[in-house]
Amino acid sequence: NAGVTQTPKFRILKIGQSMTLQCTQDMNHNYMYWYRQDPGMGLKLIYYSVGAGITDKGEVPNGYNVSRSTTEDFPLRLELAAPSQTSVYFCASSYVAKYEQYFGPGTRLTVT
Amino acid sequence: GQQVMQIPQYQHVQEGEDFTTYCNSSTTLSNIQWYKQRPGGHPVFLIQLVKSGEVKKQKRLTFQFGEAKKNSSLHITATQTTDVGTYFCASNNNDMRFGAGTRLTVKP
Repeated sequence: NAGVTQTPKFRILKIGQSMTLQCTQDMNHNYMYWYRQDPGMGLKLIYYSVGAGITDKGEVPNGYNVSRSTTEDFPLRLELAAPSQTSVYFCASSYVAKYEQYFGPGTRLTVT
Repeated sequence: GQQVMQIPQYQHVQEGEDFTTYCNSSTTLSNIQWYKQRPGGHPVFLIQLVKSGEVKKQKRLTFQFGEAKKNSSLHITATQTTDVGTYFCASNNNDMRFGAGTRLTVKP
């Protein structure tokens, strides 16, 4: 099993550009999550999904959108990139809520 | 949603010394999870506590959940250089909330 994979590893965006961060898991987990981690800080939940077709907002959802058309994939969309979105983005999955979460390697995004 | 506060923010120890990080909440937590993140890496799950007063051990690591389920601690006995990293507590009463983490550095 590859676990949780994320692409790309690094990306530089100009202000106003759009992009999609990809996340795939092969563990048949129901729950998937997107977090951002600013330098020296903890992780903040952006969006999560409890299963295909169901998504919900986390603590910091503004400026982002998600979809969950399959169990395996949970892409995160940035529509109009802003410097405040410069961060490391982690995708995670868990079998059910309140179980351990498995994290992907992260995407380091810089918006200039 | 609930907030989990974690202290200290940084801890620098000599190899062989002990280390403790604390996690506190103003509200009762349904569970507490602990993760470790090595520099440049991603968080890795260590353990979950769910019962009031629960204590769990993993080799040199001891995890506690307070009687009121509002605080938790992670204690490392006789630190080693391999313990370097940031330790996070997290809880998901409604959605997942992480503490800010304690960054541990170990001087050989």
